[in-house]
Amino acid sequence: QKEVEQNSGPLSVPEGAIASLNCTYSDRGSQSFFWYRQYSGKSPELIMFIYSNGDKEDGRFTAQLNKASQYVSLLIRDSQPSDSATYLCAVTENTGGFKTIFGAGTRLFVKA
Amino acid sequence: ETGVTQSPTHLIKTRGQQVTLRCSSQSGHNTVSWYQQALGQGPQFIFQYYREEENGRGNFPPRFSGLQFPNYSSELNVNALELDDSALYLCASSLRGGHYEQYFGPGTRLTVT
Repeated sequence: QKEVEQNSGPLSVPEGAIASLNCTYSDRGSQSFFWYRQYSGKSPELIMFIYSNGDKEDGRFTAQLNKASQYVSLLIRDSQPSDSATYLCAVTENTGGFKTIFGAGTRLFVKA
Repeated sequence: ETGVTQSPTHLIKTRGQQVTLRCSSQSGHNTVSWYQQALGQGPQFIFQYYREEENGRGNFPPRFSGLQFPNYSSELNVNALELDDSALYLCASSLRGGHYEQYFGPGTRLTVT
């Protein structure tokens, strides 16, 4: 089992719709959870971080964390073509030293 | 722009050679992490440096080594380069060590021939 798993996609949604991206992780002791957006040929850009169970909203983005079920999700409301990118889920573990583990990413296409 | 800078932007090396990549952290950040990203994959954690000490390491062989300097800038050194080391190398800085949010630089594209 991979430590951080994401559906590779592509996920295709129409402009204005809600895009829902999911991620599961294997280490129950994981402490922090991140969503990054990566455009082709660019480095990852941090869009959300969450440390506690529940929802965290920032503009059109909502991160949801459920530690009991070991999943974290990202909702993008009113999706725009400029949101088309690869979304990376990352989880930080502390197992004799800190490690941040990334999933392979989900490709999102927003159709105009 | 995150304020994290990396040099060089691109690099071509021959198998067996050694390479040094450099990173300057965002102002006020004392922690730097290094990642390797192969095409179509997520970044793979190499190690993290917090206040000049290694604070965590991923599953990379010892020929991947690093340094952090008193100004919190950092170097990644790779010895005995292999073809599979060809990748985008990313540096990320954070305000504190441990599990806090990280901000990435633009990366260094390394090609090993």
